[in-house]
Amino acid sequence: DQQVKQNSPSLSVQEGRISILNCDYTNSMFDYFLWYKKYPAEGPTFLISISSIKDKNEDGRFTVFLNKSAKHLSLHIVPSQPGDSAVYFCAANVRSSGDKLTFGTGTRLAVRP
Amino acid sequence: DSGVTQTPKHLITATGQRVTLRCSPRSGDLSVYWYQQSLDQGLQFLIHYYNGEERAKGNILERFSAQQFPDLHSELNLSSLELGDSALYFCASSVAPRPTGDGYTFGSGTRLTVV
Repeated sequence: DQQVKQNSPSLSVQEGRISILNCDYTNSMFDYFLWYKKYPAEGPTFLISISSIKDKNEDGRFTVFLNKSAKHLSLHIVPSQPGDSAVYFCAANVRSSGDKLTFGTGTRLAVRP
Repeated sequence: DSGVTQTPKHLITATGQRVTLRCSPRSGDLSVYWYQQSLDQGLQFLIHYYNGEERAKGNILERFSAQQFPDLHSELNLSSLELGDSALYFCASSVAPRPTGDGYTFGSGTRLTVV
């Protein structure tokens, strides 16, 4: 049972435009969400997170939005840069009791110069 | 360099064989997590150790086992290997028994190919 889903395996965006990556979850107990970025031949690295008490968190060009009623979160990258080309993983956790992060399948972002 | 060291980086072996993947966590981290990433699959949680003790188990096959040693490094043992075990195996570490605000820190992975 895939509790965290990223339904778009890939996304291509022009440099300078907005990239929007989406993630859906089914477990209503999840209360903390993270985005990781992965380059080839490297492990995933933490990008940004959001707690369920918020609906938005911003860090520079990266903003994560959380819609709890829809069990949906999205990562916005503005403006997109070629160096943002990577695989992005959404992850979720139950902070009070969760022993692990549950990851989605990832979205491969390609930013065209 | 994330500080999490995984060896070897690449491994090619035959079906039916046994391999051991090694992970040294970031200095000061007590938790070690193992994940498997197969083709077109996300990161599938295998097992979590904290300070030498098993904390949580995921979809880990009975042919797979792991342990965390007193010096906190961890080993993932895969036996009776099948073609379907070909995947990237990631180790991650964190200081606490549960994921912290920025989750955990991953190593660069071991790519296992079973032929």
